[in-house]
Amino acid sequence: GQQVMQIPQYQHVQEGEDFTTYCNSSTTLSNIQWYKQRPGGHPVFLIQLVKSGEVKKQKRLTFQFGEAKKNSSLHITATQTTDVGTYFCAGPGNNRKLIWGLGTSLAVNP
Amino acid sequence: DVKVTQSSRYLVKRTGEKVFLECVQDMDHENMFWYRQDPGLGLRLIYFSYDVKMKEKGDIPEGYSVSREKKERFSLILESASTNQTSMYLCASSFGQGANLNSPLHFGNGTRLTVT
Repeated sequence: GQQVMQIPQYQHVQEGEDFTTYCNSSTTLSNIQWYKQRPGGHPVFLIQLVKSGEVKKQKRLTFQFGEAKKNSSLHITATQTTDVGTYFCAGPGNNRKLIWGLGTSLAVNP
Repeated sequence: DVKVTQSSRYLVKRTGEKVFLECVQDMDHENMFWYRQDPGLGLRLIYFSYDVKMKEKGDIPEGYSVSREKKERFSLILESASTNQTSMYLCASSFGQGANLNSPLHFGNGTRLTVT
């Protein structure tokens, strides 16, 4: 069946270092959504990418959607302790359900 | 801002009890969802609804049922709670007709259910 794989599963960085998480789908996606879940919190929508090759920025966060619309990445420049959490990607499946990656948990050492 | 409210933050129930988890959204969203979240397993869809009185099974519907009598309210029911249903339950809603998956999900704060 359709799958969305996220790597890495965990990442520890020093504050100020960069961080990247990758999302790879087994099928072409019409769009991809990114969410952030703080420890003890609930997933919060960050952004949606729709176009092939699209790049969007939110302050220190850069989101990319691959040319083939099968992969995506989230890059954080100069991480801060406020970036701690789990980052999920999700894309529409063929059966009217969102397919979720398992998430990348980011820990930031001050 | 969209608000999705789950009735309880923490809940402790005994095995065999009937459990109701309530979720209300205030943005007139058509679509509502129930997920459970377990360490290492990510978000798994239990049921979703794209209209009043409509429901569809998600990936793990066994042991659960749902009710959507009003547009703003989506209830998850555990007919006979079991210990393997101990989990974090997340309700979400989104805009769009016919289970449109192009709209972002708005999640409630979650209910951490413990079944003993």
